[in-house]
Amino acid sequence: GAVVSQHPSRVICKSGTSVKIECRSLDFQATTMFWYRQFPKQSLMLMATSNEGSKATYEQGVEKDKFLINHASLTLSTLTVTSAHPEDSSFYICSALGLAGGRETQYFGPGTRLLVL
Amino acid sequence: GENVEQHPSTLSVQEGDSAVIKCTYSDSASNYFPWYKQELGKRPQLIIDIRSNVGEKKDQRIAVTLNKTAKHFSLHITETQPEDSAVYFCAASITGTYKYIFGTGTRLKVLA
Repeated sequence: GAVVSQHPSRVICKSGTSVKIECRSLDFQATTMFWYRQFPKQSLMLMATSNEGSKATYEQGVEKDKFLINHASLTLSTLTVTSAHPEDSSFYICSALGLAGGRETQYFGPGTRLLVL
Repeated sequence: GENVEQHPSTLSVQEGDSAVIKCTYSDSASNYFPWYKQELGKRPQLIIDIRSNVGEKKDQRIAVTLNKTAKHFSLHITETQPEDSAVYFCAASITGTYKYIFGTGTRLKVLA
C-alpha cells in the first residue's frame, strides 16, 4: 500500500515553455501533498505544501507564480513550472501524506527529471 | 525555522562493519524524525523513524537513537552489506504541519 506515482518521469523542454507534473496517490487518499526540488548531489528542498481544496503554502524564496500548484482531488496534485528556464532544471519529487502504523507519514513519488534547454 | 544538519557527508565502511550517521536539529518543537534511503535517481524510501516520546528504536540491522535534550538523533546500521550503499537523509518534522526539513544527506559506500 501507500504508492505514489509521478508523471512524467522525465521531460525535456525549451526555455520559455511551461511543464506540468502530476503526482498521484494510487491506493490512498491524501489531503496533503508536498513538492520538493532536488539538485544533483544535494538534499530535498521543500517547495510547497499542497492541501486539497485550498491554496498551496509556499516556502520562503519559492515563487508561487512560477510554480503553480493545484490539488483538485484527494489523489492528485499538479505542479506547473511556468516559463521554464535552464536554472529550473532539477529533479522534482512529490510526496503524499498517508497512514503508516496508525500515524501519518510521507510517501514519496519516483520523481520527475526536468531538463530545460 | 527548523534547521537540520547531518554528518558525515560521505562515509565508507567495509562490508560487515557498522555505520553511524548523525543529525542535529534546531527547533525543540520538532517531534518526528524519519530516515530515508535514496538510491541514485530513485525515490527516497522510509527505512526507520522515531518519535520524541522514545529514545531508541530498532528494526533488524537498523536502529535510531534520539537525544531530545541535545537535539540530536543518529542512525546506526550494523553488519553493513553492499546493498546498503546509497544516500541517507534524516529529517525533522515540525509539530502539527507534517512538513519535513531534510538534512544534507550522507553518501554511504559499503566496500565488499
